[in-house]
Amino acid sequence: DIQMTQSPSSLSASVGDRVTITCRASQSISKYLNWYQQKPGTAPKLLIYAASSLQSGVPSRFSGSGSGTDFTLTISSLQPEDFATYYCQQSYTSPFTFGQGTRLEIK
Amino acid sequence: QVQLVQSGAEVKKPGASVKISCKASGYTFTYYYIHWVRQAPGQGLEWMGMINPSGGSTTYAQKFQGRVSMTRDTSTSTIYMDLNSLRSGDTAVYYCARVAYRSGGDYWGQGTLVNVSP
Repeated sequence: DIQMTQSPSSLSASVGDRVTITCRASQSISKYLNWYQQKPGTAPKLLIYAASSLQSGVPSRFSGSGSGTDFTLTISSLQPEDFATYYCQQSYTSPFTFGQGTRLEIK
Repeated sequence: QVQLVQSGAEVKKPGASVKISCKASGYTFTYYYIHWVRQAPGQGLEWMGMINPSGGSTTYAQKFQGRVSMTRDTSTSTIYMDLNSLRSGDTAVYYCARVAYRSGGDYWGQGTLVNVSP
């Protein structure tokens, strides 16, 4: 199975900050990497697919980059509603494994 | 509008089985895969498997092979996920998600809590 490792596991930041979360795959997954946001008690929400494509309706302050094994999610200017847990997921091959999550908290 | 509506919460004894439904609407049922993902209390997301509603073919994570079954009813646009031989570690919220080929889940069900308790 492909292992997905996110860093950091948790992060404290302030409104307006620029934040970057990293996801590393244990082998090349080409561009097949998705990013999700999850708030407590709700289903995950797709932010980015295919490493850098912004899902419809997602604010442009979210962006993704990378290919092969190393990927990043960047939030250009944190808003109060962005404090949540973020997960990466590879959709290159089954099982479509998730990273362990990054909890983004208010500083 | 696209919707995935899941069945309600379940309480099960260890060793029992659970069957969760996921009813799709607002799009062509056979055009998208349905994936199942679960989340244990306070834990991360775990991919369980997927079904192609067009032909019914399935792919399961090795961890669940032999215990899980995903089926579909095209007449009602409903996907079912059966999990048997339940144990306490199966206590989780189970989600269905609509997924385009090699993409992410763009629509999700509301989640179904399964509580496995003696």
